[in-house]
Amino acid sequence: KAGVTQTPRYLIKTRGQQVTLSCSPISGHRSVSWYQQTPGQGLQFLFEYFSETQRNKGNFPGRFSGRQFSNSRSEMNVSTLELGDSALYLCASAPPAGNNEQFFGPGTRLTVL
Amino acid sequence: GQSLEQPSEVTAVEGAIVQINCTYQTSGFYGLSWYQQHDGGAPTFLSYNALDGLEETGRFSSFLSRSDSYGYLLLQELQMKDSASYFCAVNTDKLIFGTGTRLQVFP
Repeated sequence: KAGVTQTPRYLIKTRGQQVTLSCSPISGHRSVSWYQQTPGQGLQFLFEYFSETQRNKGNFPGRFSGRQFSNSRSEMNVSTLELGDSALYLCASAPPAGNNEQFFGPGTRLTVL
Repeated sequence: GQSLEQPSEVTAVEGAIVQINCTYQTSGFYGLSWYQQHDGGAPTFLSYNALDGLEETGRFSSFLSRSDSYGYLLLQELQMKDSASYFCAVNTDKLIFGTGTRLQVFP
């Protein structure tokens, strides 16, 4: 079974631009969660989608948004980028009846200049 | 709020045993998870404790005490490949991660 894939792997943007990141979960997984990882703040939960609906949301500004498609693929969007948005963005998928394990993708490294 | 504290760094030698502690302040959660992340890699699941006590998975064991708001990951027979960052995380309606512990294993 293929793992979680994320595209692109690396991205460089400038302040004020917007960006869209993509995540394809493991086949059969319907839950997709997004995390931001930075050296200063660690791993922080952004949001979770399940069956095309946002199920949970972390404490991030409205510039961060996401969606999930009928095939469980998910995208997250960050508008009006700030320097502080530079981070590794990880997505993770989970099976419908799992043992609480989340399967992480390799991440997208976003650099905002 | 919910917070999980871990030591920032731990060092050990090959073959040794190391314990990584996790203390938390949270109002309620389903269980405590542990993840490993190598530099440049994705976090990978190691273990989950839903109940108090010890869970053993090969060289790794994890412990949870809800009354003490405390858990730990025990790594035995350390190998060089165990050098990585380790995160505890509480499972609520989302995963809340600890601050992370960087483990360095020396020959």
